[in-house]
Amino acid sequence: DQQVKQNSPSLSVQEGRISILNCDYTNSMFDYFLWYKKYPAEGPTFLISISSIKDKNEDGRFTVFLNKSAKHLSLHIVPSQPGDSAVYFCAASSQTGANNLFFGTGTRLTVIP
Amino acid sequence: EADIYQTPRYLVIGTGKKITLECSQTMGHDKMYWYQQDPGMELHLIHYSYGVNSTEKGDLSSESTVSRIRTEHFPLTLESARPSHTSQYLCASSKGSGGPYEQYFGPGTRLTVT
Repeated sequence: DQQVKQNSPSLSVQEGRISILNCDYTNSMFDYFLWYKKYPAEGPTFLISISSIKDKNEDGRFTVFLNKSAKHLSLHIVPSQPGDSAVYFCAASSQTGANNLFFGTGTRLTVIP
Repeated sequence: EADIYQTPRYLVIGTGKKITLECSQTMGHDKMYWYQQDPGMELHLIHYSYGVNSTEKGDLSSESTVSRIRTEHFPLTLESARPSHTSQYLCASSKGSGGPYEQYFGPGTRLTVT
């Protein structure tokens, strides 16, 4: 049973506009959430994380929002750039679960120049 | 910048062969992980280690085995490869106690068993 879900397999955005990637989770014990970016034939690269005690974390063009009551998080990229085109994975962990990560299936973002 | 290495990057091998996928990290991280990923699917944890001489099975059952004799090295072995083992294998590492911490990934090994 998948505990982290990314329901949009793909997203296309015009360069300069905002990209919003969404992620839902089912396990209320999750207390740490991460976003990874993956290019073909490479391993995932860590982008940004958020603890469950926060509802927003910002790093440059990337902002992650967490809505614990809805068990939902989102990644905002603004402005989007062609180099952002990649597959984005949402992941979650809990301290009671040895901090092992559970991943979503990913969303392929295409930024159109 | 994360320094975690995997070899080989690509491997095509016949059924029944024994293979070892190598993973090394130079960050001194205590925890190391192996994931399996099929195209369009999530990463599944198959093995992890808290430190030297510690290995645990992950959420996805796997016929592979791992060892952790040195902190920096976490090889994965398949005694007898089968076509069902065809997949991408990703190694990762993170700091140990006091987390949570992000995991850093290697470039992966794309395994094809014919």
